[in-house]
Amino acid sequence: GAVVSQHPSRVICKSGTSVKIECRSLDFQATTMFWYRQFPKQSLMLMATSNEGSKATYEQGVEKDKFLINHASLTLSTLTVTSAHPEDSSFYICSGRQVSGNTIYFGEGSWLTVV
Amino acid sequence: AQTVTQSQPEMSVQEAETVTLSCTYDTSESDYYLFWYKQPPSRQMILVIRQEAYKQQNATENRFSVNFQKAAKSFSLKISDSQLGDAAMYFCAYRSLITGANSKLTFGKGITLSVRP
Repeated sequence: GAVVSQHPSRVICKSGTSVKIECRSLDFQATTMFWYRQFPKQSLMLMATSNEGSKATYEQGVEKDKFLINHASLTLSTLTVTSAHPEDSSFYICSGRQVSGNTIYFGEGSWLTVV
Repeated sequence: AQTVTQSQPEMSVQEAETVTLSCTYDTSESDYYLFWYKQPPSRQMILVIRQEAYKQQNATENRFSVNFQKAAKSFSLKISDSQLGDAAMYFCAYRSLITGANSKLTFGKGITLSVRP
């Protein structure tokens, strides 16, 4: 089945630095990728939707200058948390949708801890 | 905008028994998809089952089945012969067909299912 690989699975960074999370679709071309944030025991909160070669569409309340999303190819999307602060610590999950298809596949997620 | 409601935050079931997880949604659309996702402690989101709204027949996947009531906008998940590995957080999700490729998943708040040995 389709697989989405997300790296790193865990990352610790210092406050004020930037950190990049990668999301790769391994055996399918993901026209659209979605980035979510999830706090413990809560639901997934959609941050942004990205299409290959286009600017991402951010959900209301998500700072686009802080959470930079790039979708440079049909198999790779990245989320960069810029000038990270402790309140950005969370679990981030990406998902991808095939060019043709109705199923959305999720990455394994990334734990970000900002110290 | 569509909303998905999972009103039960937690449920518990005895191993080998059957449990039903509730989900209701609100939409003005006639065609859409509904999903149940499982999120075990590993946090990996796993698709459990999918239902197309235009299909009257309830979807089934082995021990998992749904009761889809379109008029009532209800989409419950039944887990038969519960196993310890079923313990996880379960999310009900809605996806519109109107916005095409950018159509996002709208999730409910989730329900934590525990399985008693």
